Amino acid sequence: GENVEQHPSTLSVQEGDSAVIKCTYSDSASNYFPWYKQELGKRPQLIIDIRSNVGEKKDQRIAVTLNKTAKHFSLHITETQPEDSAVYFCAANNNNDMRFGAGTRLTVKP
Amino acid sequence: NAGVTQTPKFQVLKTGQSMTLQCAQDMNHEYMSWYRQDPGMGLRLIHYSVGAGITDQGEVPNGYNVSRSTTEDFPLRLLSAAPSQTSVYFCASMRNTEAFFGQGTRLTVV
Repeated sequence: GENVEQHPSTLSVQEGDSAVIKCTYSDSASNYFPWYKQELGKRPQLIIDIRSNVGEKKDQRIAVTLNKTAKHFSLHITETQPEDSAVYFCAANNNNDMRFGAGTRLTVKP
Repeated sequence: NAGVTQTPKFQVLKTGQSMTLQCAQDMNHEYMSWYRQDPGMGLRLIHYSVGAGITDQGEVPNGYNVSRSTTEDFPLRLLSAAPSQTSVYFCASMRNTEAFFGQGTRLTVV
């Protein structure tokens, strides 16, 4: 089955800096790559996603890039704010079989 | 729409007890799944269902049973609880590959 690896496991940045989280996947049939944000004690919420026919997607301060050949994708958050502090999960989806990375705990220091 | 509703929110079980975690969705989604979330391990797929009457195993199915008699409901049964099943459990339903999560059930097995 699909195996998703996510790095780093923890990330601390200063407010206003950028944050980058990287994931790799193993199954070349995976074609949908969402990113979820989970605040403490809450459920994961979708923040951005990308499909395998697209290389980059942006939504305000967040962007995701996908390199299908290398089987890796990344989340970029610019101008980070304290409310960006949370755990972020990447996932790879093949025909509704969705597997998650282990998560990155992002801390944005004011 | 209530979305995805899980009950209970918290549960403490003794080793060997059985119980059922309930999950219901009112979005008419065909695909539903159960994940467990453990520190440092992300969300791991337990079982999933692509429609009423159809279920299949995910990454970590041992010790759990599921059934899908209706589109709306997807209960998860622990047959004989073990301390290793202490975790936070999330039910999710999916529309066009986007997953919607329930609020989670924090289960402790003592």
